[in-house]
Amino acid sequence: GIQVEQSPPDLILQEGANSTLRCNFSDSVNNLQWFHQNPWGQLINLFYIPSGTKQNGRLSATTVATERYSLLYISSSQTTDSGVYFCAVELAGGTSYGKLTFGQGTILTVHP
Amino acid sequence: DAGVIQSPRHEVTEMGQEVTLRCKPISGHNSLFWYRQTMMRGLELLIYFNNNVPIDDSGMPEDRFSAKMPNASFSTLKIQPSEPRDSAVYFCASSLALYAGTGRYYEQYFGPGTRLTVT
Repeated sequence: GIQVEQSPPDLILQEGANSTLRCNFSDSVNNLQWFHQNPWGQLINLFYIPSGTKQNGRLSATTVATERYSLLYISSSQTTDSGVYFCAVELAGGTSYGKLTFGQGTILTVHP
Repeated sequence: DAGVIQSPRHEVTEMGQEVTLRCKPISGHNSLFWYRQTMMRGLELLIYFNNNVPIDDSGMPEDRFSAKMPNASFSTLKIQPSEPRDSAVYFCASSLALYAGTGRYYEQYFGPGTRLTVT
């Protein structure tokens, strides 16, 4: 099956710092989503971004589908950004019909 | 609009007991997914439905697990008999499958999860 690798596995920042999280995937995809799992365990949608660039406040994401990677940028980080960030992809083709495969996540800790 | 609703939020049971987890997808969504999250295996898809029909149950770990979707607004995941290794957080997610541009469009939304502990 498709492989999804996220880096770095862990990231510690001071409040106000910027960061870049990376997601590499091994095959062509129909769908790519970024999620934030907060300390209470809730999975929150950040971006649906199979290609191109999107921005939402301090967060932005870019997917370069031809090179099989996606980047999540967090600017001016806040303590509420702490948690685990997951990248999830749907393999292209007719048989994956919505099925998402998740990476192992990046654990982000933002200190005040 | 309400998001995906799951119940119970926490379940503690003894080995051998039957456990039933419940999910109400977002109104209007036509695909429903059950995931399990553990420290060792991360987030893994167990089964998913499209228009109430199971599409792929290859992620269901063994015959002790079963899932149903009797209508568009309700699904259950049942474990019988439960074992300590089933302890995990179980998430339900839903999406609307439609075509946008040249490809499919599936954005999944997750419920709050059910934390299951089997002693």
